[in-house]
Amino acid sequence: SQTIHQWPATLVQPVGSPLSLECTVEGTSNPNLYWYRQAAGRGLQLLFYSVGIGQISSEVPQNLSASRPQDRQFILSSKKLLLSDSGFYLCAWSRGSQVYGYTFGSGTRLTVV
Amino acid sequence: KQEVTQIPAALSVPEGENLVLNCSFTDSAIYNLQWFRQDPGKGLTSLLLIQSSQREQTSGRLNASLDKSSGRSTLYIAASQPGDSATYLCAAPPSGSARQLTFGSGTQLTVLP
Repeated sequence: SQTIHQWPATLVQPVGSPLSLECTVEGTSNPNLYWYRQAAGRGLQLLFYSVGIGQISSEVPQNLSASRPQDRQFILSSKKLLLSDSGFYLCAWSRGSQVYGYTFGSGTRLTVV
Repeated sequence: KQEVTQIPAALSVPEGENLVLNCSFTDSAIYNLQWFRQDPGKGLTSLLLIQSSQREQTSGRLNASLDKSSGRSTLYIAASQPGDSATYLCAAPPSGSARQLTFGSGTQLTVLP
């Protein structure tokens, strides 16, 4: 069976510090991978998605970047965090075919102080 | 651009009641529609996935319907229980971009014992 792992679960970082959130998928190959952010009182916003190694599409211009160094690994990064980067970050995966739905990780609560 | 709306934003019911959550979408050319559950501070759990060729899907006490022509989906929860308390989200991919889900803002359900 397929599983998705996301860590850390919670993170408190000072403004201006770097960020690295990691997401890995097991039990499948060549998944589509996604990073979403859920800010307090707001809906889910797609940040990045990837259909293959090194292929990253950005949905929203921002202080963040994403990378996919391996087939089942998706990393969300920032060189310098802003207060506005605080939120709940969710990684998700789907198969290439849209017959199947999306599976989400357990999320990372990021607080920038 | 796909827009997804969920009504009501919040709902409080006594235990045992049957209830309906509503989801509407603007672009009816969807591949599928997915319902999720989110507990506070947690990731999203997939409940039901309805393909565009289907009219409904059932899982236990949950039944989701899809009417593409009217741009609507409903999630029916039978015999509600306090453990059903959570935020329920529907999501659909926009036309021509099946890899990217657009989420509604969710319905926060509270089932009172």
